Amino acid sequence: SAVISQKPSRDICQRGTSLTIQCQVDSQVTMMFWYRQQPGQSLTLIATANQGSEATYESGFVIDKFPISRPNLTFSTLTVSNMSPEDSSIYLCSVEDALGQPQHFGDGTRLSIL
Amino acid sequence: QKEVEQDPGPLSVPEGAIVSLNCTYSNSAFQYFMWYRQYSRKGPELLMYTYSSGNKEDGRFTAQVDKSSKYISLFIRDSQPSDSATYLCAMSARGGTSYGKLTFGQGTILTVHP
Repeated sequence: SAVISQKPSRDICQRGTSLTIQCQVDSQVTMMFWYRQQPGQSLTLIATANQGSEATYESGFVIDKFPISRPNLTFSTLTVSNMSPEDSSIYLCSVEDALGQPQHFGDGTRLSIL
Repeated sequence: QKEVEQDPGPLSVPEGAIVSLNCTYSNSAFQYFMWYRQYSRKGPELLMYTYSSGNKEDGRFTAQVDKSSKYISLFIRDSQPSDSATYLCAMSARGGTSYGKLTFGQGTILTVHP
């Protein structure tokens, strides 16, 4: 299965700033997704990153807060904008590859906002 | 009511025990069922996935699905301390070629003590 690398692995940020998280895959994949895992809670899908077009956001998530790019089949970024303490979470990238298996996940970015 | 319910535990068992992890769901559109294992500070790792009602076995792991009852289980035989992790069930309605959005349970924290 595809190997997924996320950067940064963790960060501590100030309120009101923005952070861009990168997801790099070692092979071309058909689908890429961004999830959020809040402390003590399960994973929630933020959006599907579409190659060459705007991401598809889930209910409760908007582009102004979580802009996403996917310029090619191996790379995507998620920006968390104008951060507040409520944005403290683990943000995870996942992919579906050509093998037809369900999504594989990166190790996530652990984000704390002060 | 959450679409997927999973007992968060924690569950503590002795080495060698049989472990049963369970999820219930309310959305009849869910067709694919997955189990992920998540170690501390790591991303979820796909353990098993299945489509049909019935049992699917892979080594010490057995996934069981009962669509009529909207109930899925994961059994771990001869549990080992290395099985200590959080286990997440996930489900997909899957339309077309992609599994799309995965809806996760809350996760069950399992500790296997020597």
